[in-house]
Amino acid sequence: GAVVSQHPSWVICKSGTSVKIECRSLDFQATTMFWYRQFPKQSLMLMATSNEGSKATYEQGVEKDKFLINHASLTLSTLTVTSAHPEDSSFYICSASPGQMNTEAFFGQGTRLTVV
Amino acid sequence: AQSVTQLGSHVSVSEGALVLLRCNYSSSVPPYLFWYVQYPNQGLQLLLKYTSAATLVKGINGFEAEFKKSETSFHLTKPSAHMSDAAEYFCAVSDDTGNQFYFGTGTSLTVIP
Repeated sequence: GAVVSQHPSWVICKSGTSVKIECRSLDFQATTMFWYRQFPKQSLMLMATSNEGSKATYEQGVEKDKFLINHASLTLSTLTVTSAHPEDSSFYICSASPGQMNTEAFFGQGTRLTVV
Repeated sequence: AQSVTQLGSHVSVSEGALVLLRCNYSSSVPPYLFWYVQYPNQGLQLLLKYTSAATLVKGINGFEAEFKKSETSFHLTKPSAHMSDAAEYFCAVSDDTGNQFYFGTGTSLTVIP
């Protein structure tokens, strides 16, 4: 199947700093990428949908100025957590889609963010 | 809006016993349905998916699921549990494009030796 790679797989940062997470589709062009957040022992919650070359669409309750999403190319989307705080600590997962009908999205391996 | 409900946040079975994880969907049209498995601190691995081709879907690692429109269900089963099956399992439904997913709350499977 198609491969989606996330980097880093884990990161620890100090409160107030910014962290960038990359999501790459390695063997296909992803016209659409999705970012999810997962709290411990909970399900995945969609944060935003990004389409290559346009602004991301954020789900209700997600601060777009805090979670900056860039999808500048067909193989790369980035999520930047700005001015991170301990409550931002979570597991972030991206998925990428070729954008064709009836095609599943492929998930990255996730990034564990810990803000201290 | 699409949604799925997973009954039972925790399921425990003995090694070699039947695994049954429940999922019900809420949709006015036949959706695309998926089962994913997640091991600790890892991403999601696709077990199987339903795309209307067949109601009984066979997946990896001996898992299968049956789509029952009359019951709006897509329960995941495996005849004989292995220790390696212990993980978190998520049922998901996608939108019409098959790209945007809506996840259930997950079921944690424990396999007792």
